[in-house]
Amino acid sequence: AQSVTQLGSHVSVSEGALVLLRCNYSSSVPPYLFWYVQYPNQGLQLLLKYTSAATLVKGINGFEAEFKKSETSFHLTKPSAHMSDAAEYFCAVRKAAGNKLTFGGGTRVLVKP
Amino acid sequence: NAGVTQTPKFRVLKTGQSMTLLCAQDMNHEYMYWYRQDPGMGLRLIHYSVGEGTTAKGEVPDGYNVSRLKKQNFLLGLESAAPSQTSVYFCASSYSGTSETYNEQFFGPGTRLTVL
Repeated sequence: AQSVTQLGSHVSVSEGALVLLRCNYSSSVPPYLFWYVQYPNQGLQLLLKYTSAATLVKGINGFEAEFKKSETSFHLTKPSAHMSDAAEYFCAVRKAAGNKLTFGGGTRVLVKP
Repeated sequence: NAGVTQTPKFRVLKTGQSMTLLCAQDMNHEYMYWYRQDPGMGLRLIHYSVGEGTTAKGEVPDGYNVSRLKKQNFLLGLESAAPSQTSVYFCASSYSGTSETYNEQFFGPGTRLTVL
């Protein structure tokens, strides 16, 4: 069964600093992987997705993620944090059949001025 | 387009009470989902539907029932609420997916439920 692990439930970064959120997956088949963002009191919004076309995936708001099969990882990065990046971020993997997702536990990002 | 809407936004129940959460989407999506979000556990799938009149269990279905009488609506029911069901509930919808394709799920704003 697919599962997703996000390392660190909370991350604090200074404005302008690198944002790095870690995600590792376990999957018996090549996965579809996703990052979602949840701003306070809102639903989830898709940031980016990996569907085996390219290992480096660019998303919205300057985020990108790199799929590394050898490390079973899909870490999310942004070179320079903005105050507006304060949110909770979820990594997810698509189950083998159908359109269902399995989510990681989430990482809450705090951006300090 | 309103996208995915959820009613109500907030609710407080006493143990043993019942309630229904309503999800509506105006994107003509075939699939609809109900999740619950708890701290540190991400979102977990409660039930889902792949079309009007069909429903299926997700990871954590116990204590919940669902119905999809119309394509645009997906109802989540709690027959006898328990404190363990205190959570934030999200509805989502998407076009159909296959083993070869995935279609993005669009999420509603959530319902915050407290069971005392």
